[in-house]
Amino acid sequence: EAGVAQSPRYKIIEKRQSVAFWCNPISGHATLYWYQQILGQGPKLLIQFQNNGVVDDSQLPKDRFSAERLKGVDSTLKIQPAKLEDSAVYLCASSFSIPRTWQNTEAFFGQGTRLTVV
Amino acid sequence: DAKTTQPTSMDCAEGRAANLPCNHSTISGNEYVYWYRQIHSQGPQYIIHGLKNNETNEMASLIITEDRKSSTLILPHATLRDTAVYYCIVRVENSGYALNFGKGTSLLVTP
Repeated sequence: EAGVAQSPRYKIIEKRQSVAFWCNPISGHATLYWYQQILGQGPKLLIQFQNNGVVDDSQLPKDRFSAERLKGVDSTLKIQPAKLEDSAVYLCASSFSIPRTWQNTEAFFGQGTRLTVV
Repeated sequence: DAKTTQPTSMDCAEGRAANLPCNHSTISGNEYVYWYRQIHSQGPQYIIHGLKNNETNEMASLIITEDRKSSTLILPHATLRDTAVYYCIVRVENSGYALNFGKGTSLLVTP
């Protein structure tokens, strides 16, 4: 079974530039998550999707970050404009949603995209 | 989700058992203890979870105290590839909410 795919693996941009990350979850997983992991810290949730709807985006800095999952499968996370403090690894994860419940089984993570803002 | 406390770092000799503790004194009756690990340059990986009975799988064993206020993840024969950050998370099983990670324990397995 293919895992969660993310691209690119690495990205270096200058501050004030824009950047986009792509995620393809495990087939059949309705729930998709984007996490930000700053060096030395645990991952922090940015946004959670159920199919193409947003479940939780309370920690997403909406003035500069946006995410979409238009067809309920792939997702993109965008930062515009980037700041130095956005340097981090951006992790995408997905999980299977138990039908007719609001429950998700274990989450599977991609390898992440390492963003460096200079 | 209830809060957990883990040591910042630990060392273990290769071939020995690695015992990683976790305190979760405010755990609720319906919350499970989950363990994930994150190897360098990879995303977190699920290891094991349990409610109150000890659990074992091909990766590890989980020992939960009777009062459920603490637990220990045991890697019975640690290898160099077990060097990683280990996260202890308490949450309702199959919760619709996302995982809430702390800083975890950085385990270094030495030759």
